[in-house]
Amino acid sequence: DTGVSQNPRHKITKRGQNVTFRCDPISEHNRLYWYRQTLGQGPEFLTYFQNEAQLEKSRLLSDRFSAERPKGSFSTLEIQRTEQGDSAMYLCAAGGTAQQETQYFGPGTRLLVL
Amino acid sequence: GDSVTQMEGPVTLSEEAFLTINCTYTATGYPSLFWYVQYPGEGLQLLLKATKADDKGSNKGFEATYRKETTSFHLEKGSVQVSDSAVYFCALIPFSGGYNKLIFGAGTRLAVHP
Repeated sequence: DTGVSQNPRHKITKRGQNVTFRCDPISEHNRLYWYRQTLGQGPEFLTYFQNEAQLEKSRLLSDRFSAERPKGSFSTLEIQRTEQGDSAMYLCAAGGTAQQETQYFGPGTRLLVL
Repeated sequence: GDSVTQMEGPVTLSEEAFLTINCTYTATGYPSLFWYVQYPGEGLQLLLKATKADDKGSNKGFEATYRKETTSFHLEKGSVQVSDSAVYFCALIPFSGGYNKLIFGAGTRLAVHP
């Protein structure tokens, strides 16, 4: 158990619909990261938070994607007007602020856009 | 930019065989290096890590040595078990300071047969 939970574990939606995913890390991890993993590939960085501040966003994160971390605890990732290309596993990871510190991953949310 | 290259899978071995999964990286300075493992139906788990040249990370019988001169971090295990069947990801965190973004290789699937 890494102490990071994600919900839902699976989501099937139709193209054009909005979806929201949630990540809950244990409280002592003040950094939170979102990654996306497509089939046969390694995870790719999307964005990260330190406490409630979103400090970096990848170019992979189009305007249809938005992430929040109110109060520096749980985080949500919303995708608006989903496209088939958004189908992937969305991973949340948590860690501390020490240089090059280990990140602990949740089980992921698998999204399928029909 | 920084990147990680892993040998392509799948790697198929018999139980008790010797395992090597090659990993090389491109990065400036001194990145930290990681191996993560993803068992079927589960999230990414940290297997081992090394933070400076010549360091050896080890866990559960797996080892990897940080080789600065060859920019490599090959994963080895002397005797694999069926339970080691999983996808293995090599990754790095650049030493550029900032937010500890993980950069992953594409992953190598290992299948161990009795």
